[in-house]
Amino acid sequence: ETGVTQSPTHLIKTRGQQVTLRCSSQSGHNTVSWYQQALGQGPQFIFQYYREEENGRGNFPPRFSGLQFPNYSSELNVNALELDDSALYLCASSLDFGGQGNSGHTEAFFGQGTRLTVV
Amino acid sequence: KNEVEQSPQNLTAQEGEFITINCSYSVGISALHWLQQHPGGGIVSLFMLSSGKKKHGRLIATINIQEKHSSLHITASHPRDSAVYICAARGTSYGKLTFGQGTILTVHP
Repeated sequence: ETGVTQSPTHLIKTRGQQVTLRCSSQSGHNTVSWYQQALGQGPQFIFQYYREEENGRGNFPPRFSGLQFPNYSSELNVNALELDDSALYLCASSLDFGGQGNSGHTEAFFGQGTRLTVV
Repeated sequence: KNEVEQSPQNLTAQEGEFITINCSYSVGISALHWLQQHPGGGIVSLFMLSSGKKKHGRLIATINIQEKHSSLHITASHPRDSAVYICAARGTSYGKLTFGQGTILTVHP
């Protein structure tokens, strides 16, 4: 079992609402990445936070936003929920030594995910 | 064409068989991950490698950087190995992981 915890584990929201998902990173890790996994698909990169700054973003609209806190835990916020936002949301934490992909890093550890259903 | 391609998409084996899952990628990487996902969604990291070969129990992962290809092998497969196996390439500009579509492995007793 990893030290990465996500909350809540399951969530049902109505179209148009806003949602906040939380991720506590493994102790000592400074980087958190968020991924969206639709049913039957591989995870898709949403964004990454390194030492409280967003340092990479995938092809997701601005209504997907995030935060990383001084203790390196992170939140994913989604505004104006759409039915297609229904998915498993995964976070992964790692220790990065420079914030760049090739600057040295530890293995990524994943949380169990939050399953979001938008009705 | 996806940046990370896995084959096969579905794999059925009998207990005890040797299993190979392949992963090809077209992007520059700093590392390649092999991950296991069980029903319910949680992902477990099996290996992270940037060269050569790693072994953990009955699992072996290899990577050929020049050919941009990696393989995951399972020796003496067991029904508890049934899961989705995913390879993910870590980019060079920052730590984004690009995932393959996954291989659904079913091992029958």
